[in-house]
Amino acid sequence: AQSVAQPEDQVNVAEGNPLTVKCTYSVSGNPYLFWYVQYPNRGLQFLLKYITGDNLVKGSYGFEAEFNKSQTSFHLKKPSALVSDSALYFCAVSLGRTGFQKLVFGTGTRLLVSP
Amino acid sequence: SQTIHQWPATLVQPVGSPLSLECTVEGTSNPNLYWYRQAAGRGLQLLFYSVGIGQISSEVPQNLSASRPQDRQFILSSKKLLLSDSGFYLCAVDSAYEQYFGPGTRLTVT
Repeated sequence: AQSVAQPEDQVNVAEGNPLTVKCTYSVSGNPYLFWYVQYPNRGLQFLLKYITGDNLVKGSYGFEAEFNKSQTSFHLKKPSALVSDSALYFCAVSLGRTGFQKLVFGTGTRLLVSP
Repeated sequence: SQTIHQWPATLVQPVGSPLSLECTVEGTSNPNLYWYRQAAGRGLQLLFYSVGIGQISSEVPQNLSASRPQDRQFILSSKKLLLSDSGFYLCAVDSAYEQYFGPGTRLTVT
């Protein structure tokens, strides 16, 4: 069965500093990996995905994530955090069929960026 | 690109009352549609998915049901709400390798 772990409930970082939000996964087969962001009382917004190819994936708003198959990780990173990045971040995994994605989500990590 | 509408945005209902939440999608045809519930502002649980009109798969046995009467309409229902049905309900649609989410419906059962 697929599963995703986000080991940190909350990550605190000062504006301008780099940020990392951690995600590890467990899946049989080749995973498709995703990051989503959620602002208060809003739906989830897609940030980026890893399907195949280059292990470093670039996404929206300056975020990137690195796929590490040996460590089964897909950590989200940004070189310089903004206060407006404060939100709830979800990592998700699917078994990677096109057109039908049964996503399994992690429990979410709250990112707080202080001025 | 798709646009997902969810109605209503917020809802307060007493225990034992019926429920109907609607999701409609624009900009695509024959989409795969999903209902998720998010409890306590955290993890998302897949409730139902549909690959076509009248085709519904349930992920978790519960007090809720889903229907897809039209290609781009997905409805979440209950005959009698429980307190545990409170949460944030999100509709989603597949687009190639990604899922896009609607704005959500906040349901409070009192």
